[in-house]
Order: sequence, then C-alpha cells, then structure tokens
Amino acid sequence: DVKVTQSSRYLVKRTGEKVFLECVQDMDHENMFWYRQDPGLGLRLIYFSYDVKMKEKGDIPEGYSVSREKKERFSLILESASTNQTSMYLCASSSPGRNSPLHFGNGTRLTVT
Amino acid sequence: GNSVTQMEGPVTLSEEAFLTINCTYTATGYPSLFWYVQYPGEGLQLLLKATKADDKGSNKGFEATYRKETTSFHLEKGSVQVSDSAVYFCALRGSTSGTYKYIFGTGTRLKVLA
Repeated sequence: DVKVTQSSRYLVKRTGEKVFLECVQDMDHENMFWYRQDPGLGLRLIYFSYDVKMKEKGDIPEGYSVSREKKERFSLILESASTNQTSMYLCASSSPGRNSPLHFGNGTRLTVT
Repeated sequence: GNSVTQMEGPVTLSEEAFLTINCTYTATGYPSLFWYVQYPGEGLQLLLKATKADDKGSNKGFEATYRKETTSFHLEKGSVQVSDSAVYFCALRGSTSGTYKYIFGTGTRLKVLA
C-alpha cells in the first residue's frame, strides 16, 4: 500500500514565522502535490512537482514555495505565515499515467495566530 | 478548462437507505474519473475509479458508472451504514496535454443516522 506521511498533524505558528510542512511518500512516485482544504472551497492546488527539483505553480501559489530535493520528499514553505493561511494542508502523490489516482497523507491542520 | 460539479450537501439519510450523490464534469477528451472519501480528521482515500466510457467502478458496496453521453459519474450505494458518514469528493484527471492536473468537486457531506 502507498504511504504518504505528513510530518505533523497539528501545527500552531505565529504571524510572520517561516513554516515548513514536510511530506514523504514511499512508492517511488514521480508526481507530488500540495493542496489546501477550506470549508466551502474544496481542495485547491498550491504547487505540484513532476520530478526532482522541478516545480509548477498550482491555482493559489501566492505566499507559498516548495522544495523537492529528493524524489520521495516534497516540502511546502510558508515564507511569512499569515492568518489567512490557517487551513488544512494535504500532500498527495501519484505515478504519471492519467489513470493513476492520487494518494493522500492524513493532512496537517495549521493554525496561524 | 476542466471542471467538476457535485451536489451540495449535507445529505442526511437513515441507515439502510439508498444513496445517490450526483457528479457531473466538463472536460475535453477522455478524462479518468474518481471518487474519494474523507473521514473526520483524515486525508482523502480513493474509493473507486473509472477510466473510460461505460466503465463501472465499485468498492465497499459503492458504485459509479462513467457516462460520457451525460458527462456524469454519480455515486450510489444500495444500503448505507452509520460508518459511511463522511465527505465524498468527485474528481477527474484530464487526458489531453496541459490538462493532467486533478480537478476536485467541492465535496458532499453525508450523515447517516442509526
């Protein structure tokens, strides 16, 4: 079974802090994704990566950056956390074929105060 | 661009009732279609998928048929249980260049009462 592990389930940070959310997958998937989930808005794609050191902006990249130095690890970085970034963050991975489903981690609930 | 529309929730049913959650999509080509389920406090889990027209995906008593003529992928279950209470997401992945991203609906919350 594919396992996608997010390093923290709950995180509380202060406004202006730099925040790192870590995600590791164990199935050698090429593709990795970061979403945020907010009530009434569903899942919104922040960034994704099709290969090591490769990244592409999703629908809401402002205020975020990412890093993919190794195939199994995809980090989301909040350069200067703000209260409107309080949300549930979901990491996912998949293999490249169009029939391949996304495999999700359990999420990190981030609160910025 | 590609999009997914699913019915607004919440949907509240009694145990053993029949469930339908509607999902329609807009996409060029032949996308792959998915249903995911999210239990409280967890990430999304793949429930079922279908990759071509008339395919039926099924898992844990849930079914959905890929209907290209109506661009729909409705989720059904004949007899729901309290343990099915969760949020259900319909999603697609495009098949043409530039559309490989996954697109999700906004989710439908299901509550099943004993």
